Amino acid sequence: AQSVTQLDSQVPVFEEAPVELRCNYSSSVSVYLFWYVQYPNQGLQLLLKYLSGSTLVESINGFEAEFNKSQTSFHLRKPSVHISDTAEYFCAVSDPNTGNQFYFGTGTSLTVIP
Amino acid sequence: DSGVTQTPKHLITATGQRVTLRCSPRSGDLSVYWYQQSLDQGLQFLIQYYNGEERAKGNILERFSAQQFPDLHSELNLSSLELGDSALYFCASSVAPGGGNEQFFGPGTRLTVL
Repeated sequence: AQSVTQLDSQVPVFEEAPVELRCNYSSSVSVYLFWYVQYPNQGLQLLLKYLSGSTLVESINGFEAEFNKSQTSFHLRKPSVHISDTAEYFCAVSDPNTGNQFYFGTGTSLTVIP
Repeated sequence: DSGVTQTPKHLITATGQRVTLRCSPRSGDLSVYWYQQSLDQGLQFLIQYYNGEERAKGNILERFSAQQFPDLHSELNLSSLELGDSALYFCASSVAPGGGNEQFFGPGTRLTVL
């Protein structure tokens, strides 16, 4: 089975500063990778995903993530954060060899400080 | 709004009781997933259904069961409830069970066991 590690449980960052949320997964076989965001009192929403092709994927609100197969990582970055980015971020892995089961990390709480 | 609905929004009950959580997937989605989110265990995959059939099983306790009905809505039954079952229960849906398909999450049902 896969496992997903989000190394930082809490990340405080000042507004307009850059941020990186780290994610590592256990298996080096081909996987699908996702970042989900959870705003307070809401369900999870897909932020971006990597299925194949270019290793750099972007979201519509300025986040990007890079798939690094050799390091089994899928870190999430944003060059300049806004107050509205304050939320919980979850990295997830789906292993096509096991059908469709999603494995989620424990989440990173991003707090943007004015 | 993801298009996935969950009822009830909140549920307060006592230990030893049984409850049923309901989920309606997005229109057109055939696959339904159940997750448990608690502070100490993070987001845990419980079970998945596709077009009425159980597709994958995660960390679901024997006291818990689920099913997907012909109209594709799903119910999660939790019995002999314990204090530790207090959590946020999410339902998600996707168009098909393939790992690359985005899962759309409902707003969740918050279960409190007293």
